[in-house]
Amino acid sequence: SAVISQKPSRDICQRGTSLTIQCQVDSQVTMMFWYRQQPGQSLTLIATANQGSEATYESGFVIDKFPISRPNLTFSTLTVSNMSPEDSSIYLCSGSRNQPQHFGDGTRLSIL
Amino acid sequence: DQQVKQNSPSLSVQEGRISILNCDYTNSMFDYFLWYKKYPAEGPTFLISISSIKDKNEDGRFTVFLNKSAKHLSLHIVPSQPGDSAVYFCAASGGQNFVFGPGTRLSVLP
Repeated sequence: SAVISQKPSRDICQRGTSLTIQCQVDSQVTMMFWYRQQPGQSLTLIATANQGSEATYESGFVIDKFPISRPNLTFSTLTVSNMSPEDSSIYLCSGSRNQPQHFGDGTRLSIL
Repeated sequence: DQQVKQNSPSLSVQEGRISILNCDYTNSMFDYFLWYKKYPAEGPTFLISISSIKDKNEDGRFTVFLNKSAKHLSLHIVPSQPGDSAVYFCAASGGQNFVFGPGTRLSVLP
């Protein structure tokens, strides 16, 4: 199964700033995804990261707030823009060639 | 509207006994189901899956049962071990995307 590395593992940010989270996969995967896990809740899909084209966003998530890049098959970034305390969550990257998806350890983000 | 439900937020089981975690779904288009285990400060780890053409899949101590007519699946862990203490997420898919349940926190008591 793919090994997925995310960084940073955690960060504390000021309101109104932006943070970019990086996700690196150790083998080529077909699909890469970004999820959010808010405190006490389950994983919610933000978007599917598409190689070389715009990400596909789920309802409730927009590109201006969560711009995503995927320049090649093994790397993707998620930016959380203009952060507010409501954005405090764990952000997780996942990848799959065929099912199932495998996850990174996540980025724990706190906004003051 | 939750498409995947795990109605027990927590479960405590004695070491050596069976743990049964339940999951219900509403979308009849789901055809692939998975269980993930999550420890604190780590990402979810894939445990076991089942496609809708089967009603049972077994892997060591872990067995997943699927009842399509009831839109219900369950994960059985036997025997339960203290290292199994974690949050367990049920997930369902009708394509490439997964929908996750809210999770059940399992505590296995020594």
